Amino acid sequence: QVQLQESGPGLVKPSQTLSLTCTVSGGSISSGSHYWSWIRQPAGKGLEWIGRASTSAIPIYNPSLRSRVTLSIDTSKKQFSLRLISVTAADTAVYYCAREDDDIGYYYFDSWGQGTLVTVSS
Amino acid sequence: EVVLTQTPVTLSLSPGERATLSCRASQSVSRYLGWYQQKPGQAPRLLIYDASNRATGVPARFSGSGSGTDFTLTISSLEPEDFAVYYCQQRSNWPPSFGQGTKLEIK
Repeated sequence: QVQLQESGPGLVKPSQTLSLTCTVSGGSISSGSHYWSWIRQPAGKGLEWIGRASTSAIPIYNPSLRSRVTLSIDTSKKQFSLRLISVTAADTAVYYCAREDDDIGYYYFDSWGQGTLVTVSS
Repeated sequence: EVVLTQTPVTLSLSPGERATLSCRASQSVSRYLGWYQQKPGQAPRLLIYDASNRATGVPARFSGSGSGTDFTLTISSLEPEDFAVYYCQQRSNWPPSFGQGTKLEIK
């Protein structure tokens, strides 16, 4: 069974760059039938899809964040990464990495990491 | 972006009772709607996809129905572990979007 694990700094200063990595184990990151997404959740609030990456297509981003976000995949390390520039307090949230599986349907998220809290504060 | 409105915001029920949660979309999403369960401190878990298909390992007491703009998640007989927050999510219109959640609490 695939497992995902987020890692990265828990505290980022305003105007700086948030960088997170998701490590995939128990399955292939290179499968053409999977996409790899980032989703965030501010405390006590709902979920926001950030974007997705795969080894077979260019990354796609939520228009609300497109100007500030970059996703990438490193197949040799079985990792995919999120980079969010010019952060503000509004970017404080739990960040999840998640998998989409073509067998279920793209843009459904059938496996998730445990989440990592990122706080934007000076 | 499609806006999903979930009702009620909070639902108070007792174990053994039937739970009915609603999700309404601001425009038709056909049957491309899923449901997730989230417990405190945990990631969401996919329960239902395409309105009525149970994800792997999801107990049969969970069922989904609906199409177009109105959807329902039903839990036929609540178990203690079912008390959580439930989110609907659509994938019909890009970008994918989530509802704000219904908290199912013990009465």
